[in-house]
Amino acid sequence: EDQVTQSPEALRLQEGESSSLNCSYTVSGLRGLFWYRQDPGKGPEFLFTLYSAGEEKEKERLKATLTKKESFLHITAPKPEDSATYLCAVRRFNDYKLSFGAGTTVTVRA
Amino acid sequence: DAGVIQSPRHEVTEMGQEVTLRCKPISGHDYLFWYRQTMMRGLELLIYFNNNVPIDDSGMPEDRFSAKMPNASFSTLKIQPSEPRDSAVYFCASSLGGLTEQFFGPGTRLTVL
Repeated sequence: EDQVTQSPEALRLQEGESSSLNCSYTVSGLRGLFWYRQDPGKGPEFLFTLYSAGEEKEKERLKATLTKKESFLHITAPKPEDSATYLCAVRRFNDYKLSFGAGTTVTVRA
Repeated sequence: DAGVIQSPRHEVTEMGQEVTLRCKPISGHDYLFWYRQTMMRGLELLIYFNNNVPIDDSGMPEDRFSAKMPNASFSTLKIQPSEPRDSAVYFCASSLGGLTEQFFGPGTRLTVL
């Protein structure tokens, strides 16, 4: 069974204080690791897909990286608008289902 | 683009009543997914369709849950009879091809009293 574990559960940052979120996974034949952002009362919003170890993707202050066992979401110089829950999900080879982690709730104080 | 549309946004009902949640996927998308999100269990896939055909319903918790997709632009998730433990936020998502990113709707918050 696929397992996706995110840490920490919650992260409180000062504006401008960079940090990283972790997503460790156990999946038979990874066919994509996905990062989503979810704001309160809204549906998850797609951020990135990573397919192979060593791959990196960036979007504004966010950068996602992937190794064979985990992925990191780096937030550089965060702003209050980066406050949200960040979800990680994996898809296995020959399957269309996403298995989600519990998420990391990030709060950025001005 | 209107995105994935779900209705109603909030539903409050009493135990034993039938509940129907509705979803309109993004036009042209051929995969549709129904998820449930709770504090205890996080985001769980219930069922997904490809070209209106149910492919995997192994996540549907009980026979009280059923889902249909009569055409490419409409799907329903029905709970009959509803129970308090069904209280959750239900999301619909769609994608173009099963291997691409999924786009989520705003969700339906269901409360069963």
